[in-house]
Amino acid sequence: AQKITQTQPGMFVQEKEAVTLDCTYDTSDPSYGLFWYKQPSSGEMIFLIYQGSYDQQNATEGRYSLNFQKARKSANLVISASQLGDSAMYFCAMREGNTGNQFYFGTGTSLTVIP
Amino acid sequence: DTGVSQDPRHKITKRGQNVTFRCDPISEHNRLYWYRQTLGQGPEFLTYFQNEAQLEKSRLLSDRFSAERPKGSFSTLEIQRTEQGDSAMYLCASSPTGTGGSGANVLTFGAGSRLTVL
Repeated sequence: AQKITQTQPGMFVQEKEAVTLDCTYDTSDPSYGLFWYKQPSSGEMIFLIYQGSYDQQNATEGRYSLNFQKARKSANLVISASQLGDSAMYFCAMREGNTGNQFYFGTGTSLTVIP
Repeated sequence: DTGVSQDPRHKITKRGQNVTFRCDPISEHNRLYWYRQTLGQGPEFLTYFQNEAQLEKSRLLSDRFSAERPKGSFSTLEIQRTEQGDSAMYLCASSPTGTGGSGANVLTFGAGSRLTVL
């Protein structure tokens, strides 16, 4: 089974609107971390936001927030007030265990912000 | 420190040739990772170092691939007898060691080395 599933190959959003990128994960480990990365066309993976499995509150970082639903094993990324510079690939990732070595990545979602 | 550096950024080679990529991690990070990313896919784990010790290797890492991290600083990834299927972006990432929290576990990636095998 896939560790990380991103079911939206491509998404479009109007500038200044909010958008939600979906991510579901699969693990039996009670301790894990969830990450979102942005990959612009330049290729570099940029860390956006982190959620630990024991964190009680949803993570937020500026315009990014993570909608963490543990029972559903979902960790959706919400981008508020979209900007043209948000157009990029977005990858959800998981690290199993408290100090796990492997990070599992999804196949990504391509986001296009329309002016 | 300017982040994770990778060299070269682009490499075009003929099938059967050997190639080597270099990664310079963030200096205070003792963990170093190599990932491979093909078009339309997410990064796939290849191997991981803690300091100079290579602690984990993926089954994706065939015997034509070898990675080293002498002295626990920079790392090299060598591909021998390249095949067209090796064409991909090779990403290096580093992180500090920690027992939890975002700062301890976040991977910081380099810009990648894109390999094209003709």
